Amino acid sequence: GDSVTQKQGQVTLSEDDFLFINCTYSTTTYPTLFWYVQYPGQGPQLLLKVTTANNKGISRGFEATYDKGTTSFHLQKASVQESDSAVYFCALVGQGGRALIFGTGTTVSVSP
Amino acid sequence: EAAVTQSPRSKVAVTGGKVTLSCHQTNNHDYMYWYRQDTGHGLRLIHYSYVADSTEKGDIPDGYKASRPSQENFSLILELASLSQTAVYFCASSELGREQYFGPGTRLTVL
Repeated sequence: GDSVTQKQGQVTLSEDDFLFINCTYSTTTYPTLFWYVQYPGQGPQLLLKVTTANNKGISRGFEATYDKGTTSFHLQKASVQESDSAVYFCALVGQGGRALIFGTGTTVSVSP
Repeated sequence: EAAVTQSPRSKVAVTGGKVTLSCHQTNNHDYMYWYRQDTGHGLRLIHYSYVADSTEKGDIPDGYKASRPSQENFSLILELASLSQTAVYFCASSELGREQYFGPGTRLTVL
């Protein structure tokens, strides 16, 4: 079945550092891929969506790209701020399009 | 803007008791979902629904029931709550194959 693997459980950075989070996926289709962000005490909220049509998405200084050849997609930001401290999840639309399959999340901690 | 609300926001239940978590959406979305979140496991799908009066099992349905009495409302029912069901529960809504909009979550503690 479809799956998403997010190996980085924790990333610790200082302000202005470069952020890079990677996910790999397995599916029989060309999926739509998502990055969600979850701040403490809140539900996940959509950060970026990437489709086979565009291969890249940009929002709030974050950039997501995906590589069909290596079945991976990543999230990056050139210069993080303390306010970017959160949990970041990658996800894809499962077969049949009825639900999202989420990675296990990457906790990003940014110190001033 | 999309809106999904959940009630209660937190609850303490006793082992063996019945718990009902409620979700309401004003997005006019066909699909609604219940997830649980545990540290180290991300979000796991319990049940979902794509039309009123019908529910489908997700990846971890054991010990949970769901009810979709209308397009706007979706409930998660724990008939006999157990310690292992202590978690944060999230409801979400979406259109088929599109991004999901999440509620703020319900923190459930079973003692």
